[in-house]
Amino acid sequence: DVKVTQSSRYLVKRTGEKVFLECVQDMDHENMFWYRQDPGLGLRLIYFSYDVKMKEKGDIPEGYSVSREKKERFSLILESASTNQTSMYLCASSGAPPTVAPQHFGDGTRLSIL
Amino acid sequence: TQLLEQSPQFLSIQEGENLTVYCNSSSVFSSLQWYRQEPGEGPVLLVTVVTGGEVKKLKRLTFQFGDARKDSSLHITAAQPGDTGLYLCAGARTGGFKTIFGAGTRLFVKA
Repeated sequence: DVKVTQSSRYLVKRTGEKVFLECVQDMDHENMFWYRQDPGLGLRLIYFSYDVKMKEKGDIPEGYSVSREKKERFSLILESASTNQTSMYLCASSGAPPTVAPQHFGDGTRLSIL
Repeated sequence: TQLLEQSPQFLSIQEGENLTVYCNSSSVFSSLQWYRQEPGEGPVLLVTVVTGGEVKKLKRLTFQFGDARKDSSLHITAAQPGDTGLYLCAGARTGGFKTIFGAGTRLFVKA
């Protein structure tokens, strides 16, 4: 069965800290995505990657970076955490083609920045 | 600007009632997906529709893609408490990697 695993369910960090969110998938999928989910705004795409070492900005990349050194792992980095980055973060992966293939989501990381 | 508008935002109904959730856009999509998300979990795909006018059924759930591929609806017959959750529609454009999500419809079905 398809599995996307996010390293933490809950995380509390302080303003200015560098924060790492990790995501691992076991389906050998080419495409991986990071979203944030906020009430009333739905899921907004932060970054995605369609291959190892390849990354593309999504709709709200400011304040974030990503790393994809291995096919199965996609990391989201908050360079200097701020309170407006408090949110639920969801990682997803999909096979090809990305416009039709379903996205498989992890259970999310609820991040609080104090 | 929300490119995919979902309505209603919230819906609270009694067990056994029917309901319809709408997903509308001014943009054309090559495919549209519906997901359901339960508390503490990530969204799970229910269905993908790709052809204008397409209708798909999943037990008591009926999904329709508009003829112009700009809108979709989800109809639930005889809703049950297990249907409670956040329903998200998501559209993809030809040749792109990005999927655009609506804000969701939060459904509560009371026993």
